[in-house]
Amino acid sequence: DTEVTQTPKHLVMGMTNKKSLKCEQHMGHRAMYWYKQKAKKPPELMFVYSYEKLSINESVPSRFSPECPNSSLLNLHLHALQPEDSALYLCASRLTDRVPNYGYTFGSGTRLTVV
Amino acid sequence: DQQVKQNSPSLSVQEGRISILNCDYTNSMFDYFLWYKKYPAEGPTFLISISSIKDKNEDGRFTVFLNKSAKHLSLHIVPSQPGDSAVYFCAASALGNQGGKLIFGQGTELSVKP
Repeated sequence: DTEVTQTPKHLVMGMTNKKSLKCEQHMGHRAMYWYKQKAKKPPELMFVYSYEKLSINESVPSRFSPECPNSSLLNLHLHALQPEDSALYLCASRLTDRVPNYGYTFGSGTRLTVV
Repeated sequence: DQQVKQNSPSLSVQEGRISILNCDYTNSMFDYFLWYKKYPAEGPTFLISISSIKDKNEDGRFTVFLNKSAKHLSLHIVPSQPGDSAVYFCAASALGNQGGKLIFGQGTELSVKP
């Protein structure tokens, strides 16, 4: 299995809803990432988990809450989002974050629309 | 402050010809560079990478050139095929950069016409 699987592929949620995005990989990668990509813009890093511990939070608002229950799974819990949070949310993984020349594997993303 | 720049938002090339996508960076600490290809509504797909200790890396139709003194890299696709039509992102990472954070350029949309 050489894939990063993200579910759901599409999500529409209201500003008062609570929802979660899920990311799974079975490649034995120990670094997992959440990126956010707005239309016509490059992906921007949100969070990094290294060996199941949060190592980087790029000053992301608290309405986004990441969780790494185990080495294969990464969640992003969403609560009280704003319409401007609508974007493609990408999960990625690498063998490790401690050596730079291991390429990322990206999932296909979750297209989130906040109404 | 954009540390990785792709100054051409779009590029159109005839099938069979060479596509050259350019990328400039400002941070001299970057030591690893990657190119990703992205179709709409999909995640980026890794294409090719290069370490700063090299000036060229080749993989099939794709070659990446790195000019450290100019802080410039380019991706060459030869020959270009219609299936290569996508958005191409250049990305950079720095050794010791906590978490292996990738900094992406804005992307170049390549259109290969039959």
